[in-house]
Amino acid sequence: KNQVEQSPQSLIILEGKNCTLQCNYTVSPFSNLRWYKQDTGRGPVSLTIMTFSENTKSNGRYTATLDADTKQSSLHITASQLSDSASYICVVSEKGIKAAGNKLTFGGGTRVLVKP
Amino acid sequence: SQTIHQWPATLVQPVGSPLSLECTVEGTSNPNLYWYRQAAGRGLQLLFYSVGIGQISSEVPQNLSASRPQDRQFILSSKKLLLSDSGFYLCAWSVRLSGPQYEQYFGPGTRLTVT
Repeated sequence: KNQVEQSPQSLIILEGKNCTLQCNYTVSPFSNLRWYKQDTGRGPVSLTIMTFSENTKSNGRYTATLDADTKQSSLHITASQLSDSASYICVVSEKGIKAAGNKLTFGGGTRVLVKP
Repeated sequence: SQTIHQWPATLVQPVGSPLSLECTVEGTSNPNLYWYRQAAGRGLQLLFYSVGIGQISSEVPQNLSASRPQDRQFILSSKKLLLSDSGFYLCAWSVRLSGPQYEQYFGPGTRLTVT
């Protein structure tokens, strides 16, 4: 069964500090991995998307890494801001599907709270 | 540019009442459309997806149904709501990036509370 596990479930960090979120997956065959940011009561917004051949991708202060051999990904937030308070969701998709959405596996998310 | 709309934003309904949530997409044609539910503190669960008008695939057996009467309109319905139907409902559409790669874009969501 395809699974995506995220850790920690939640964390609190002080403004200006860095943090790293983890994602482990068992989805196969692998197509791509995405990180989404979801503010409370809003829809998820894509941060990064990485394919098998990519091992790092940045989007501003967000940097995602991918190790396809160990099936692990991380999302690093640099110099955190209060606006970074949100849930971060790791999503892995399978290869070779026509309607992309029905083969996405979602992690449970990591809730980040940035305190001043 | 493409945008996705959902309404209502919030809804409180009694058990046994009907439900209709609407999702529309602008700025694209023939999108793949999806309905997800997110229970409190849980991950997103795919409920339905559609690859075209009148084409609906259900991922999990449940009390809900979906319809796609127009190319860019996706409706989530129920004849009689259950308490377990409470949650945050998200509509999404996908676009092909390159090769087999797709990107999904989510709507703002509808918070449904069944009392």
